[in-house]
Amino acid sequence: NAGVMQNPRHLVRRRGQEARLRCSPMKGHSHVYWYRQLPEEGLKFMVYLQKENIIDESGMPKERFSAEFPKEGPSILRIQQVVRGDSAAYFCASSREGLNTEAFFGQGTRLTVV
Amino acid sequence: ELKVEQNPLFLSMQEGKNYTIYCNYSTTSDRLYWYRQDPGKSLESLFVLLSNGAVKQEGRLMASLDTKARLSTLHITAAVHDLSATYFCAVAESGGSNYKLTFGKGTLLTVNP
Repeated sequence: NAGVMQNPRHLVRRRGQEARLRCSPMKGHSHVYWYRQLPEEGLKFMVYLQKENIIDESGMPKERFSAEFPKEGPSILRIQQVVRGDSAAYFCASSREGLNTEAFFGQGTRLTVV
Repeated sequence: ELKVEQNPLFLSMQEGKNYTIYCNYSTTSDRLYWYRQDPGKSLESLFVLLSNGAVKQEGRLMASLDTKARLSTLHITAAVHDLSATYFCAVAESGGSNYKLTFGKGTLLTVNP
């Protein structure tokens, strides 16, 4: 059973370009969470999605960032018009339905904006 | 706003020695996690602590939770080089959603021969 798969592992973008980060949850998991890790910081919650629904996006920056989890296919975190401050590691986690279920993390996508 | 503080942030220790990492948090919590992260890798779940007085052990690592003091500890016994990594505690706020974890800044542990 493959774990949470994120791609690409490394992504370099020039300022002003768009970044798309993909996350395929573990088999049987219908909940996806995105976190961002700035250098030498802990992870910070961004958004929680279930299939076709955004449940909580309270950690998402108000502009340029969006997330989706379509009925078919991976969850996508999209960053438009990237700036240097967007450089970070972006981690996705997934879990099953239900209360108190543990989330498992992917290996992350390291975004570098040049 | 829930705040989570870890200390120390950097820990260099010799093989065979014991040490403790501390995690303080600011509001009541339903659950507390300890994770390990190797450089460039994902987070590996070590322990989930759910109730006051909970103690869990795995190999040379032991985690405990005191919900009254809002404190968790990760104790390392007779450290070995393989334990070198960054260790994070993460807290889910009581009554909040269990997915929305607040992480500490992490403790970078280096075990020297």
